[in-house]
Amino acid sequence: DQQVKQNSPSLSVQEGRISILNCDYTNSMFDYFLWYKKYPAEGPTFLISISSIKDKNEDGRFTVFLNKSAKHLSLHIVPSQPGDSAVYFCAASRSIIQGAQKLVFGQGTRLTINP
Amino acid sequence: KAGVTQTPRYLIKTRGQQVTLSCSPISGHRSVSWYQQTPGQGLQFLFEYFSETQRNKGNFPGRFSGRQFSNSRSEMNVSTLELGDSALYLCASSLTPGQGNNGYTFGSGTRLTVV
Repeated sequence: DQQVKQNSPSLSVQEGRISILNCDYTNSMFDYFLWYKKYPAEGPTFLISISSIKDKNEDGRFTVFLNKSAKHLSLHIVPSQPGDSAVYFCAASRSIIQGAQKLVFGQGTRLTINP
Repeated sequence: KAGVTQTPRYLIKTRGQQVTLSCSPISGHRSVSWYQQTPGQGLQFLFEYFSETQRNKGNFPGRFSGRQFSNSRSEMNVSTLELGDSALYLCASSLTPGQGNNGYTFGSGTRLTVV
């Protein structure tokens, strides 16, 4: 049972344009969402997060949007840069306040930024 | 400060053998989680340890086990290896169980190949 789904295994975007990565979840108990970025031969690194009390969180070129009614979140990268080429994982969890909840990850989307 | 250290980085084993992977968390972090990454499946949660106790377990067969020591270092063991166990095994540490505001800090992983 894949509770967090990233339906696009890969995405190719021109440098300077906007990259939009999508993620859907099925568990309505999830209330905290994160995006991780992973380069080959390295572990995932935290990128940006959002709690369910918000619908948008922005950090520089990265913005995460959350649509709770649709159980959908997206990561926008603008403008896209060659260094953004990596695999992006969406993750979800229940109640950061309560803690002790594992992160559930999606399958990942490989983003390639073309010069 | 030192990051999460996983050893070994690469490992080749034969079907039927057993393997032990090691993870040293960031100094001061007491929680360690293990994930398996395979193409198409993303990061699958294996287990989480805190204060030498397993607090969470994923949907993996009993051949997968782990433990945590008093210094917070953790090991995971896979017995009777199968070809399908070939994967990148990632360890993540956090101060306490759960992900914290910035999520886990991951190690670079151990690439296990079963032949």
